[in-house]
Amino acid sequence: EVQLVESGGGLVQPGGSVRLSCAASGFTFSDYWMSWVRQPPGKGLEWVANIKPDGSEEHYVDSVKGRFTISRDNAKNSLYLQMNSLRAEDTAVYYCARTEVATAGGSYWGQGTLVTVSS
Amino acid sequence: QSALTQPASVSGSPGQSITISCTGTSSDVGGYNYVSWYQQHPGKAPKLMIYDVSNRPSGVSNRFSGSKSGNTASLTISGLQAEDEADYYCTSYTSSSTYVFGTGTKVTVL
Repeated sequence: EVQLVESGGGLVQPGGSVRLSCAASGFTFSDYWMSWVRQPPGKGLEWVANIKPDGSEEHYVDSVKGRFTISRDNAKNSLYLQMNSLRAEDTAVYYCARTEVATAGGSYWGQGTLVTVSS
Repeated sequence: QSALTQPASVSGSPGQSITISCTGTSSDVGGYNYVSWYQQHPGKAPKLMIYDVSNRPSGVSNRFSGSKSGNTASLTISGLQAEDEADYYCTSYTSSSTYVFGTGTKVTVL
């Protein structure tokens, strides 16, 4: 059974940093693109970033470029999102997703982890 | 990258068909056949319903269908059922090698 479990969310001060993790199981992690998608409370979905199976290619939405870094450790079946210089508008539930086709998320998503940026 | 434009809400009675539009530009929807649709129930993760404009993943009901004409994509739900009441989002690949979501549509089953 495919499972994706996010962790690392919580309350962070503006300007602070946090690292999200996504633990994958039930499939060959190194075969798939992986994505992060976020959703501010009560609002719509926003694609954040994705990364190639071997980690050699990454793409980001303009609003997080230079502040967020997506990475993966295929030996640990884990996806990460390092988030720096956080702003109030980064407050959202962050989902990781397995991306099988050309889409913003994919067929399998985690349950999400909430990041709240506030003083 | 601006969000794709969707109607805020669409409603229909059980058994009816409804269509949700998703309007972008030639740099996203109109330029690629990489439009997807997601269904999201409150408090749940999104579920992929359509990919590559009109393909359904395994397990998705054939009551859901997708199409595209120019810069506008559409999702049609036929034989509307109570369980179809949810938020729906389109998304498209863009010329910047990124993805953009639509503004979202709340579907209400009357």
